[in-house]
Amino acid sequence: TQLLEQSPQFLSIQEGENLTVYCNSSSVFSSLQWYRQEPGEGPVLLVTVVTGGEVKKLKRLTFQFGDARKDSSLHITAAQPGDTGLYLCAGLFSGNTPLVFGKGTRLSVIA
Amino acid sequence: DAGVIQSPRHEVTEMGQEVTLRCKPISGHNSLFWYRQTMMRGLELLIYFNNNVPIDDSGMPEDRFSAKMPNASFSTLKIQPSEPRDSAVYFCASSPLGRGGFETQYFGPGTRLLVL
Repeated sequence: TQLLEQSPQFLSIQEGENLTVYCNSSSVFSSLQWYRQEPGEGPVLLVTVVTGGEVKKLKRLTFQFGDARKDSSLHITAAQPGDTGLYLCAGLFSGNTPLVFGKGTRLSVIA
Repeated sequence: DAGVIQSPRHEVTEMGQEVTLRCKPISGHNSLFWYRQTMMRGLELLIYFNNNVPIDDSGMPEDRFSAKMPNASFSTLKIQPSEPRDSAVYFCASSPLGRGGFETQYFGPGTRLLVL
């Protein structure tokens, strides 16, 4: 069974702080996606990373794919209350299998 | 452009009753996915369709669950009989290219099911 482990499970920080959340697997991903889910809504795609070592930036969010394509991180700079939500990573392990989701990191940014 | 539409948004029912959840995917999308989300287990894939054909239903928990996609614009997930442990948020998602998830999945707002 291919599993994604996300850490931390919960994170509560003050507005303006920086944070990093992690997504790890014992298996190699062919690609990995990060989604954000707000209360009462479905997940929304933030980014897809495909190449080992790849770094993508989306405003204050920086996504990194590990060199070995077994892990990924999401770094948020100067967090804002609008960043509050559940951050999910989802990995594709081969071309013919559907995405496997982690359980997510629940982030709360306090003003 | 309308996104994925799910109905009902909330459902409260009693144990043993039949529950039917409905989904309208984004027009032109070839893949449709049903997920279940709970705090304990996270987001679990139940079944997905490609061009209206069920491809992988290994996530369907047991025979009480069934899903259909009679045409490209409509799918149902049915639970019969329902049990309290089925209480969860059920999401439908669609994606455009039919590769089983490599491309972006667009999620609906979910149906929050409570079985008493």
